[in-house]
Amino acid sequence: NAGVTQTPKFQVLKTGQSMTLQCAQDMNHEYMSWYRQDPGMGLRLIHYSVGAGITDQGEVPNGYNVSRSTTEDFPLRLLSAAPSQTSVYFCASSYSILPYNSPLHFGNGTRLTVT
Amino acid sequence: ILNVEQSPQSLHVQEGDSTNFTCSFPSSNFYALHWYRWETAKSPEALFVMTLNGDEKKKGRISATLNTKEGYSYLYIKGSQPEDSATYLCAFYTDKLIFGTGTRLQVFP
Repeated sequence: NAGVTQTPKFQVLKTGQSMTLQCAQDMNHEYMSWYRQDPGMGLRLIHYSVGAGITDQGEVPNGYNVSRSTTEDFPLRLLSAAPSQTSVYFCASSYSILPYNSPLHFGNGTRLTVT
Repeated sequence: ILNVEQSPQSLHVQEGDSTNFTCSFPSSNFYALHWYRWETAKSPEALFVMTLNGDEKKKGRISATLNTKEGYSYLYIKGSQPEDSATYLCAFYTDKLIFGTGTRLQVFP
């Protein structure tokens, strides 16, 4: 099993450009989420999904869109990139619908730089 | 805004030393507390998921305890080794999984 796969690993964008960070998992996990990691801030939840067709906002959702058309895929869209979105992005999934009693499995991260 | 605090921010110990870190979280609306280990240039990996007051979990030399009434969890590492060097994250689940900023541990040979 590949686990949680994120693409691309690195990306450089200019301010105002849009792009989609891809996340796919092959573990049949219901719960999927996106976090961003910034120095001194820890991991902050952007959006999450408890199943296909269901998404909700996390702590820092502004500037990002998500959709969940299949159980396997949970793409994160940056609508109009800003330098403040320079960060490392992690996708994570969990067996449980809510990560109450099962741990998160993380992808390898996407390092995004917005100039 | 939920506040999950970890202390200390960083720790330097000698090989063989035992050490512990603290995770503090709101004591109301508690559902679960997660611990993760995050090595440099890798992704976080789960250590423990704890749901009951008084829970104690152990994995090799690493163990954790949970006190939901007072809102804290301790992570212990017995006989630290250089390969234990990593950032240790806790995460509190109520209706979302919220992470602390982590404790960075460096173990010197």
